[in-house]
Amino acid sequence: GQQLNQSPQSMFIQEGEDVSMNCTSSSIFNTWLWYKQDPGEGPVLLIALYKAGELTSNGRLTAQFGITRKDSFLNISASIPSDVGIYFCAGQLAGGGADGLTFGKGTHLIIQP
Amino acid sequence: DAGITQSPRHKVTETGTPVTLRCHQTENHRYMYWYRQDPGHGLRLIHYSYGVKDTDKGEVSDGYSVSRSKTEDFLLTLESATSSQTSVYFCAMGLAQGYEQYFGPGTRLTVT
Repeated sequence: GQQLNQSPQSMFIQEGEDVSMNCTSSSIFNTWLWYKQDPGEGPVLLIALYKAGELTSNGRLTAQFGITRKDSFLNISASIPSDVGIYFCAGQLAGGGADGLTFGKGTHLIIQP
Repeated sequence: DAGITQSPRHKVTETGTPVTLRCHQTENHRYMYWYRQDPGHGLRLIHYSYGVKDTDKGEVSDGYSVSRSKTEDFLLTLESATSSQTSVYFCAMGLAQGYEQYFGPGTRLTVT
């Protein structure tokens, strides 16, 4: 199936630092979603994007829908310990059917004290 | 915000036995999905439903079947479990195609 290339695979940062991760594809997407997953739990939706160029914030999180519709990024400002987890991007392909989303393989965020 | 639940949360079963996982939602969402999550593979779609009694296959549907007799319930059945089906299974719901999906807490299945 279609693939989303999510990078980086993992990040080791200090508390208080800003974080940036992105997803890219060779295909065009109509929707970009960003999820966070904590150990032993299901993914939780953080931000949803529906228009090319759209920039949306949720607290310290900001995400953008790339102008080419082939990429998206997520920024976290002033990281705190509870930001630790796995962040997934997901997208709905243009022309895609009801089977919906394609997922990236995740970015593991690790915060060093 | 537990509008979607899964049962059981953990299960250990033997190779060759049938297993049914249940997903229940209280949000009246039309779409429901079953995914499996494995290291190195991320989330992969098994089956999905776009309405009562309307289901279709996803990327990794072999060895799995589903049923949806009511809007709120979506069942995933492994007719004869194999060790390769050891995984964490997530159910998700969505209001409309191509929009947000909301995930359940997951079921950790071990096939011995």
